[in-house]
Amino acid sequence: EAGVTQSPTHLIKTRGQHATLRCSPISGHTSVYWYQQALGLGLQFLLWYDEGEERNRGNFPPRFSGRQFPNYSSELNVNALELEDSALYLCASSQGAVQPQHFGDGTRLSIL
Amino acid sequence: AQSVTQLDSQVPVFEEAPVELRCNYSSSVSVYLFWYVQYPNQGLQLLLKYLSGSTLVKGINGFEAEFNKSQTSFHLRKPSVHISDTAEYFCAVITLGGNTGNQFYFGTGTSLTVIP
Repeated sequence: EAGVTQSPTHLIKTRGQHATLRCSPISGHTSVYWYQQALGLGLQFLLWYDEGEERNRGNFPPRFSGRQFPNYSSELNVNALELEDSALYLCASSQGAVQPQHFGDGTRLSIL
Repeated sequence: AQSVTQLDSQVPVFEEAPVELRCNYSSSVSVYLFWYVQYPNQGLQLLLKYLSGSTLVKGINGFEAEFNKSQTSFHLRKPSVHISDTAEYFCAVITLGGNTGNQFYFGTGTSLTVIP
């Protein structure tokens, strides 16, 4: 069984640009979660999608957005990139909202 | 406000010694509790979970944790650590429902270093 896959592995952008990060969940999982892991701050919850709908979002500005496609894959979009957006972005999936989440290896976003 | 606190940011321990990584949470609603491990340059792997039932849960790699509702704690333990246990450990909480819907909280992590 393939795990959660994320692409790209690394992404380098400059301030003001736009970034798109992609995630494919484990087959059969309908919930997808996005987290930001910045140095020294642990994981901060960004977004939760289930069955194509945004179910909840964390305390992040609206320039962080995303969507979930009919095949349950997801993308995270970050507009107007700022230096502090540099972090590891982790995607996770689960079979249901309260089931354990399975994580991908992340996309490291670096803002120059 | 809901939150997860991992009291120790770094824990050094000698090989084959016991270890306890502490986690406390605050929540006014029902919770599900998890511990994850993160090896360098990798995502998180589930160690164990508490959803309901017995408060002592056993996970992979010889780890176990005990849910203590009165103390709002979910400490992780292992009786004898190995070098390969060196990693970052995260406590996580899902709070159910309430006005803001299901919420997902992770602690800031505890870096476990096993010393030969």
